[in-house]
Amino acid sequence: QVQLVQSGAEVKKPGASVKLSCEASGYTFTNYAIHWVRQAPGQRLEWMGWINAGSGHTKYSQNFQGRVTITSDTSANTAYMELSSLISEDTAVYYCVRVATSGTTWFDPWGQGTLVTVSS
Amino acid sequence: DIQMTQSPSSLSASVGDRVTITCRASQSITSSLNWYQQNPGKAPKLLIYAASSLQSGVPSRFSGSGSGTDFTLTISSLQPEDFATYYCQQSYRTPYTFGQGTKLEIK
Repeated sequence: QVQLVQSGAEVKKPGASVKLSCEASGYTFTNYAIHWVRQAPGQRLEWMGWINAGSGHTKYSQNFQGRVTITSDTSANTAYMELSSLISEDTAVYYCVRVATSGTTWFDPWGQGTLVTVSS
Repeated sequence: DIQMTQSPSSLSASVGDRVTITCRASQSITSSLNWYQQNPGKAPKLLIYAASSLQSGVPSRFSGSGSGTDFTLTISSLQPEDFATYYCQQSYRTPYTFGQGTKLEIK
């Protein structure tokens, strides 16, 4: 079955960077876009950006002011999301999600989520 | 950015009730509206896409309607497993944005 498995929880200090991974299985990795969405405690879901896993084309939310970089490794069927210059407000659960059907922008399935805690 | 506003933010209901949740966009998003269900500590799950299409495997008691700026999610007869938080998401234009969520609680 289609599955996205994310890397484990991270604790980082303010100003540091974090790089999360998302390993896909059960489908042809290069045929579907991967998006990243985060959820801070008690907050709504927030879209961060996406990558065309085949071409490597990316698009990011400007709300992150250039701090987000999404990459993919097709040999490992894995997508990555790096967030730099971390602040306490970046404490959140980060999800990788696949588009449900190639060319669409609704999300299914979701990874299990990775908790990132930013604290001095 | 397109702002998404859900109402109500919380709702108490009983098993067997019919429930409707509303989502309003700050500008027209045609039918580019999706609904997700999230249980505590879990990832969201896609229920409805393109405003009214039921995702495979989702019970038929869930339905969606609307276009333009106003959308609804209806659960025709609440089941115990439906008590969760529901989010709408616009996929019309990036940045894709979500509503603040509607928490459905047992009365």
